[in-house]
Amino acid sequence: GAVVSQHPSWVICKSGTSVKIECRSLDFQATTMFWYRQFPKQSLMLMATSNEGSKATYEQGVEKDKFLINHASLTLSTLTVTSAHPEDSSFYICSARDRLAGTDTQYFGPGTRLTVL
Amino acid sequence: GDSVTQMEGPVTLSEEAFLTINCTYTATGYPSLFWYVQYPGEGLQLLLKATKADDKGSNKGFEATYRKETTSFHLEKGSVQVSDSAVYFCALILNSGYSTLTFGKGTMLLVSP
Repeated sequence: GAVVSQHPSWVICKSGTSVKIECRSLDFQATTMFWYRQFPKQSLMLMATSNEGSKATYEQGVEKDKFLINHASLTLSTLTVTSAHPEDSSFYICSARDRLAGTDTQYFGPGTRLTVL
Repeated sequence: GDSVTQMEGPVTLSEEAFLTINCTYTATGYPSLFWYVQYPGEGLQLLLKATKADDKGSNKGFEATYRKETTSFHLEKGSVQVSDSAVYFCALILNSGYSTLTFGKGTMLLVSP
């Protein structure tokens, strides 16, 4: 089946630094990728939708200058957490929509655990 | 807005027991309904789905029926295995126009030998 990878799987950084998380669709082309944030015992919260070659669409309450999303190719989207602070510590999950498989088919990455000290 | 409510976990069962994980939803339109499963250290995988009322989704022994009258999509399995231990997410997406997945909080299932 379709596979989505994320890198890194976990990262620890100091407050004030920036962290980049990559999301790749390994065996299919993804015109649309989604970034979610998951807190402990909470549901996945959609942060933004990124379409290849265009600007990301952010959900209400998500700071676009804080969470920079780039979707430069059909197989790669990146999320950069800029000037990270402890409250940004969370589990970040991406998903990719297979452009050939229909609008309700999304494949999820394994997630990236971010800890900001 | 749209929302999904799942029973809180963890659900702890012995192997071969019957499983039910309740899921109810509210939606402004006509949704498709999904169950995703997340095994430890892995991403979410689509387990099953149903796109209209009275549809039954099934996969790997799991079943769920789209009940419009009760706005429910309960997940069931007749005989669970240790390997079914995971977190299960109920989700919906509206069928009309551009829409994104709305998830429940997830229910952890722990199956002991």
